[in-house]
Amino acid sequence: QSALTQPPSVSGSPGQSVTISCTGTSSDVGSYNRVSWYQQPPGTAPKLMIYEVSNRPSGVPDRFSGSKSGNTASLTISGLQAEDEADYYCSSYTSSSMVFGGGTKLTVL
Amino acid sequence: EVQLLESGGGLVQPGGSLRLSCAASGFTFSSYAMSWVRQAPGKGLEWVSAISGSGGSTYYADSVKGRFTISRDNSKNTLYLQMNSLRAEDTAVYYCAKGGAITMVQGGYSFDYWGQGTLVTVSS
Repeated sequence: QSALTQPPSVSGSPGQSVTISCTGTSSDVGSYNRVSWYQQPPGTAPKLMIYEVSNRPSGVPDRFSGSKSGNTASLTISGLQAEDEADYYCSSYTSSSMVFGGGTKLTVL
Repeated sequence: EVQLLESGGGLVQPGGSLRLSCAASGFTFSSYAMSWVRQAPGKGLEWVSAISGSGGSTYYADSVKGRFTISRDNSKNTLYLQMNSLRAEDTAVYYCAKGGAITMVQGGYSFDYWGQGTLVTVSS
């Protein structure tokens, strides 16, 4: 159950797009379309942003999108806004277990 | 409105025990898998354990297997985590989280609602 690999930090200016990667293995990310993404502003509980690689729960802006290629999943945030500044975590389901990524801090410049 | 309210956290000595509870409301509790996820101070999220809607299937991270036990009482809409043989590295905020389906494999692996968390500190 090794953690998925995410970049520690990314940044972008308002209006720009950023992409956060999440790299696993053929046993987790590569084998299942069961990747989720969570947003966690400081001092708050995580919030589901993307499930099953690319699906958005109701209420999540369409500026947030997800994709996957091989063992790497990605979260793209377009039209960056100040309120998007937060930590972002990916997760993957793998037979009877789950694993999170180490988290990525998004800074809006 | 879905609400998850954790309780039972606190300070405990190494080797001690603690039982966390999560009171759920606003949805049909027995129809959804539930999980516990923890976050050590200043660190990332770590999945701890999950249980199917019926309670018949349970899952654990290797780091807690044999020490923690997840359970649920669907008549009380409450999720539990019994933590034994606690270690300093178990210090964290513990969140309960609602899965997206009745079993993990059917969608219980996406957590659409989270509680606010309860802090567990293991220290002498």
